[in-house]
Amino acid sequence: DAKTTQPTSMDCAEGRAANLPCNHSTISGNEYVYWYRQIHSQGPQYIIHGLKNNETNEMASLIITEDRKSSTLILPHATLRDTAVYYCESTGNSGYALNFGKGTSLLVTP
Amino acid sequence: EPEVTQTPSHQVTQMGQEVILRCVPISNHLYFYWYRQILGQKVEFLVSFYNNEISEKSEIFDDQFSVERPDGSNFTLKIRSTKLEDSAMYFCASSEDRDYGYTFGSGTRLTVV
Repeated sequence: DAKTTQPTSMDCAEGRAANLPCNHSTISGNEYVYWYRQIHSQGPQYIIHGLKNNETNEMASLIITEDRKSSTLILPHATLRDTAVYYCESTGNSGYALNFGKGTSLLVTP
Repeated sequence: EPEVTQTPSHQVTQMGQEVILRCVPISNHLYFYWYRQILGQKVEFLVSFYNNEISEKSEIFDDQFSVERPDGSNFTLKIRSTKLEDSAMYFCASSEDRDYGYTFGSGTRLTVV
């Protein structure tokens, strides 16, 4: 069973912040939450990951709720090149390797 | 920025033939992975490799598949007796540690005819 759930699709206007939600109420206390994106049929691209604390890097910010049941990926100023499928994932049910779900298809519009 | 390199970018093979997909992970990474993506479907985990042995594999990774790290730089996926349904993009990835983010290659598109 998937450990994370995401909306199927979202739209965002260029220049605005894109806030992508993810529910992960069943992950255990030592499991990280990872965000990747895939642009067209390119290889998935790592964005950010976190355990408990909020994280920020040059690509995005990750806000994790205190109860760790959900998180939000924030792209502060979305551009057309951010149009992609965004995956919120944790480690698999039986191991450490990531299993990708269907993700959120983000469309950034002019 | 360091990259994971995959060759070839596109391979066409006849059904029943064996193929070897090649990957050069990032040099200081210790964990290596193969994933595949059938057109229009999810990215599926195949296998992970650490310390010269398989650490995890999925149900997809049956006896038809094998992986090898023949030298200090290459990481290969061999598919024996290819079937039409093996047609997919195959992605190699590597990570510095188990809990770190993965760096993916740009993939090999395998077409079985």
